Amino acid sequence: EAEVAQSPRYKITEKSQAVAFWCDPISGHATLYWYRQILGQGPELLVQFQDESVVDDSQLPKDRFSAERLKGVDSTLKIQPAELGDSAMYLCASSPRTANYGYTFGSGTRLTVV
Amino acid sequence: SQQGEEDPQALSIQEGENATMNCSYKTSINNLQWYRQNSGRGLVHLILIRSNEREKHSGRLRVTLDTSKKSSSLLITASRAADTASYFCATPQGAQKLVFGQGTRLTINP
Repeated sequence: EAEVAQSPRYKITEKSQAVAFWCDPISGHATLYWYRQILGQGPELLVQFQDESVVDDSQLPKDRFSAERLKGVDSTLKIQPAELGDSAMYLCASSPRTANYGYTFGSGTRLTVV
Repeated sequence: SQQGEEDPQALSIQEGENATMNCSYKTSINNLQWYRQNSGRGLVHLILIRSNEREKHSGRLRVTLDTSKKSSSLLITASRAADTASYFCATPQGAQKLVFGQGTRLTINP
């Protein structure tokens, strides 16, 4: 069964350092999402791509976060500099086209900022 | 902004019993989705119910949707230890993105 690949699985970083997460969606899925999930809460959307274009990044803290999907396939989410409050699970998901289809999520990256 | 609100926040039952979780949402939708998340893992899509459907089944899962009350319920019958997880409802905001609730933490006791 096709999966969304994410790496690394876990990341510990010191505050003020840079950190990057990678996601490879299911082949052929045009839409890619990055969500952040704080422990005990539901996922919240950070950024959404349609092919290589950003559709929604209204909740992305652009002073420190950046995301790209250069060839419309895999994607990278970067934080620079990391802050203590960035500790969370970062989830990548993909879907064929819109939110009217179920999402397939990756296993996530657990980030701890110390 | 959170669209869906799950109730209860936490639920603990004995193995073999049925578990019911509820979701309320605020705006009109064309579908509602339920996801499961095992501890420390990603979310898994369970079922999608469209606004013109009232009930949908998948294995031991039964989902209902009442658009007049803007609410949905997820029933897991004959629960098993492996059903221990957090369950989230999600609704589309526009056609582009899903907005998730805070989830219900379900614990199945042996």
